[in-house]
Amino acid sequence: NAGVTQTPKFQVLKTGQSMTLQCAQDMNHEYMSWYRQDPGMGLRLIHYSVGAGITDQGEVPNGYNVSRSTTEDFPLRLLSAAPSQTSVYFCASQQGGAYEQYFGPGTRLTVT
Amino acid sequence: GQSLEQPSEVTAVEGAIVQINCTYQTSGFYGLSWYQQHDGGAPTFLSYNALDGLEETGRFSSFLSRSDSYGYLLLQELQMKDSASYFCAVEKGRRALTFGSGTRLQVQP
Repeated sequence: NAGVTQTPKFQVLKTGQSMTLQCAQDMNHEYMSWYRQDPGMGLRLIHYSVGAGITDQGEVPNGYNVSRSTTEDFPLRLLSAAPSQTSVYFCASQQGGAYEQYFGPGTRLTVT
Repeated sequence: GQSLEQPSEVTAVEGAIVQINCTYQTSGFYGLSWYQQHDGGAPTFLSYNALDGLEETGRFSSFLSRSDSYGYLLLQELQMKDSASYFCAVEKGRRALTFGSGTRLQVQP
């Protein structure tokens, strides 16, 4: 199993550009989440999904969209990038009934 | 709203025991998790407490007191590789986690 994979690993965007961060898991986990982590901070929940077709907002959803059309994939879309969105983005998955979240390696995004 | 408080930094020597505390305020509570993160890496799961008491996993133990809204992570027989950031996180349902700001642990020889 590859676990949770994220692409790209690094990305530089200009203000106003849009892009999609990809996240996939091959563990057939029901739950998937997106977090952002700013330097020296904890992770903040952006959006999460409890199953295909079901998504919900976390603490900091503004400026981001998600969809969950399959169990495996959970892409995060930045609609119009802003410098405040410069961060490391982590995707995570979790099996229903379990407590452990498995994190991907992260995408380091810089918006100039 | 929700908030979690944990110390920003802790220093200890190899072989020692260290305790990292976490207090939380939340409108909904299902359990308290602990994650470890090395610099430049992804968080990895350490433990979860849903009920009061102590959970032990090897050198690591975690404690929860729901009535005090308090938990801690205990690391025994510290090793250099334990130098990392440690985060407590509250689950408020539907697997949504709210993380604390993290405690940076420095283990010295």
